[in-house]
Amino acid sequence: NAGVTQTPKFQVLKTGQSMTLQCAQDMNHEYMSWYRQDPGMGLRLIHYSVGAGITDQGEVPNGYNVSRSTTEDFPLRLLSAAPSQTSVYFCASSPDRSGYTFGSGTRLTVV
Amino acid sequence: AQSVAQPEDQVNVAEGNPLTVKCTYSVSGNPYLFWYVQYPNRGLQFLLKYITGDNLVKGSYGFEAEFNKSQTSFHLKKPSALVSDSALYFCAVRDNGGATNKLIFGTGTLLAVQP
Repeated sequence: NAGVTQTPKFQVLKTGQSMTLQCAQDMNHEYMSWYRQDPGMGLRLIHYSVGAGITDQGEVPNGYNVSRSTTEDFPLRLLSAAPSQTSVYFCASSPDRSGYTFGSGTRLTVV
Repeated sequence: AQSVAQPEDQVNVAEGNPLTVKCTYSVSGNPYLFWYVQYPNRGLQFLLKYITGDNLVKGSYGFEAEFNKSQTSFHLKKPSALVSDSALYFCAVRDNGGATNKLIFGTGTLLAVQP
């Protein structure tokens, strides 16, 4: 049981490049979400999904896309990276509304 | 609007002394409250949660938190701090407005335990 797995752990992008941050969970959790962590701002919700085929926007969705084709996977796509997207990204999953498991994070730098 | 406040950016405590990390919340309906810890260059680790029941919640690594409805607080406590407790601590509340199931996080409190 690996929990929530995020790849890559580190990434450097040039402005304008695109990439996908991967998130996979093996706990059969219906709910998955992406957060970004910035100094002094805590964690902010980017996108979330309440089940396969269903996604919706969080607080800071601009510049990001998500899809949920399976229960296990919830990739986050950066369409055209900008320096403002330099951050640490966390994926989380939950079976219900009472517990959340976080991945170990992806540290992204956009230059 | 629902929110979480952690009024202290940093808390300093000597090893062996009791520690408290403060958290207050504002949420509609019954609150689901959480504490997470983040060690340097690591992800968030779950410490404890309050959903219902006893106001004193015990969690991992000897931490506990007290839910106080009248003061809308959920302070994290430990009777005797360890140097290894030094980390970034986040309080969070589940958003009860709609079906987002999202967590609303505080800005975090850096706990520094001096030997």
